[in-house]
Amino acid sequence: EPEVTQTPSHQVTQMGQEVILRCVPISNHLYFYWYRQILGQKVEFLVSFYNNEISEKSEIFDDQFSVERPDGSNFTLKIRSTKLEDSAMYFCASARDRKNIQYFGAGTRLSVL
Amino acid sequence: GQQLNQSPQSMFIQEGEDVSMNCTSSSIFNTWLWYKQDPGEGPVLLIALYKAGELTSNGRLTAQFGITRKDSFLNISASIPSDVGIYFCAGQLGTQGGSEKLVFGKGMKLTVNP
Repeated sequence: EPEVTQTPSHQVTQMGQEVILRCVPISNHLYFYWYRQILGQKVEFLVSFYNNEISEKSEIFDDQFSVERPDGSNFTLKIRSTKLEDSAMYFCASARDRKNIQYFGAGTRLSVL
Repeated sequence: GQQLNQSPQSMFIQEGEDVSMNCTSSSIFNTWLWYKQDPGEGPVLLIALYKAGELTSNGRLTAQFGITRKDSFLNISASIPSDVGIYFCAGQLGTQGGSEKLVFGKGMKLTVNP
């Protein structure tokens, strides 16, 4: 069964460093999303991406964050200068179209020290 | 912003028992979804509901989309140990021009004692 793949599974970084989280969405999907989940809390929407541009973003997704689809398969989330409070699980999701089910990857645990 | 109130926050049950959980919202959603999350994993979809009043089953799971479009419940019958995990409701506005983002509840942690 097709699945969303995320790498790495765990990323440890120093505060102020840039990180790039990578996702390979399901191959025939056109809509891509990033969510995050701070430990013990609910999953929160960050950004949605379609047709090579951001279609919606939350207040969390400030100018320290950016997303990119650098080729036909990868979808990345970059955090330019990480803060302690960026420590969380980051989930990538994809959907065939905007009304279809969003399928989630297993997540990347980001630890900012 | 939109908020979902999910209850209860946790449940401890014996294997074989049924369990119910629900979500309410102050605003309407056009799609309700129920996900399960195992430790260290991403949310996995259990049931999707698309119409107000819809009642849908998936094995031992039954979920309903409230008639007001502001609530949903999930029932698990005859629980088994592998039902352990965190259950999240999620709402999506998703109509023409509406937001496709998922708004999640805070989750219900289920523990099943064998």
